Amino acid sequence: GAGVSQSPSNKVTEKGKDVELRCDPISGHTALYWYRQSLGQGLEFLIYFQGNSAPDKSGLPSDRFSAERTGGSVSTLTIQRTQQEDSAVYLCASSSIGSPQGTQYFGPGTRLLVL
Amino acid sequence: GENVEQHPSTLSVQEGDSAVIKCTYSDSASNYFPWYKQELGKRPQLIIDIRSNVGEKKDQRIAVTLNKTAKHFSLHITETQPEDSAVYFCAASMPLGAGKSTFGDGTTLTVKP
Repeated sequence: GAGVSQSPSNKVTEKGKDVELRCDPISGHTALYWYRQSLGQGLEFLIYFQGNSAPDKSGLPSDRFSAERTGGSVSTLTIQRTQQEDSAVYLCASSSIGSPQGTQYFGPGTRLLVL
Repeated sequence: GENVEQHPSTLSVQEGDSAVIKCTYSDSASNYFPWYKQELGKRPQLIIDIRSNVGEKKDQRIAVTLNKTAKHFSLHITETQPEDSAVYFCAASMPLGAGKSTFGDGTTLTVKP
């Protein structure tokens, strides 16, 4: 079946502009994560959605970052007033309560470059 | 919350040698421990996992061990090959719905031919 998809695959923007990144999780997956990965670095947790529960936003680096998940499916990560330090690959992952429990399936990422 | 520490951060081995990567976790409620491999420019992908009711799991050249008492788990790769070169991430997961997964910082493995 289809995996996790993300769009756009690449985004170049000017400092100060807003950007929206989209994630389409695997159908039926109740959990959805956003991560940020700078070049050569690890996975920086941003936000976690699980079913209808309130999202865990503890990883969002500033109030310029927000995310929503509509209808328990598609998620959008919004970065307002982008800064050069926001340049990174943004990865989305989804997982299911079914087997194997907790395995995260990652999308291909959106590579964001802020000029 | 959960805290996962991963060591070493970089590891270089000769082709054919073994490689071991270790992780510790803090929350005894974590019950699922996956390992992901991320090749350069690609997304992380699951390579092996272990649940808290199992002490060891093997899949060809890779194995994972878990010590629940000490709260640590390890990835073992035997007979390493150049294509094993990648970044490896461990993670500790709560029962789904109880909390999020937490990743280690990653280990960059280089296998020299």
